[in-house]
Amino acid sequence: GQNIDQPTEMTATEGAIVQINCTYQTSGFNGLFWYQQHAGEAPTFLSYNVLDGLEEKGRFSSFLSRSKGYSYLLLKELQMKDSASYLCALMDSNYQLIWGAGTKLIIKP
Amino acid sequence: GAVVSQHPSWVICKSGTSVKIECRSLDFQATTMFWYRQFPKQSLMLMATSNEGSKATYEQGVEKDKFLINHASLTLSTLTVTSAHPEDSSFYICSARDRWRGTMETQYFGPGTRLLVL
Repeated sequence: GQNIDQPTEMTATEGAIVQINCTYQTSGFNGLFWYQQHAGEAPTFLSYNVLDGLEEKGRFSSFLSRSKGYSYLLLKELQMKDSASYLCALMDSNYQLIWGAGTKLIIKP
Repeated sequence: GAVVSQHPSWVICKSGTSVKIECRSLDFQATTMFWYRQFPKQSLMLMATSNEGSKATYEQGVEKDKFLINHASLTLSTLTVTSAHPEDSSFYICSARDRWRGTMETQYFGPGTRLLVL
C-alpha cells in the first residue's frame, strides 16, 4: 500500500523561508505533486517531480529523492497570501493521486 | 488553458433529495475525470474515477448506487448524490486529465461544490 506523511501545521514569518517535508512509502511511483489549497477552495497545482533533484519555479522549489521516499516544498520570501494548506500527493502505478493530509502553513507578520 | 468548472458552487438541500453536480473541462478534452470529497480539516478523498463512455470505478467504501457518476462526453462528468443525508454534507471537487497533452501526470481541479444537507 501507500503511505504519505507531512506535518500537520507550520508557522513562519513574512519574508522568511520555510520548508515543508513529505515522506512516503509506495510500491508504484509515477511522480510526486505539491498543491496549494486556500480555505474553502480547490487545490491549485504547484509542482511535479518524477526525477531526483530540485525543481525551481519562482519563489517555490520542490525537491525529490526517490531512494529516500522524501520530498520537500521550499517557499522563499514568504508573503501573507502564502497562508494556506500545502498538499503532497503521490501518483501511483495506476496514475491515481494519493493525497497526504496536508500541512497548514500560518504566516505571521 | 486547462480550465475546469463545476456547477453549482454551493447547494443547500433537504434530507432525502438528490443533488446533481456538473464538472466540465472548458478548453480541453478529458478522457478521465476524478471525483473527490473533502471534509473540514481533512485531505482529499478520492471517491471515483470517471472514464468517458464507460462505467465509473469507485473506491472502496463509496456506494455506487448513492453516488451516481455519468461521463457522457469528453468535456462533462456529473455526480448525483441520491437521497442525500446530513452526513453527505461536504466539499466535492472534480479534476480532469487532459487527453491530448501527451502526459498522464497533471490533473486540473475544478473550484469545488459545497453541499449542505439539512
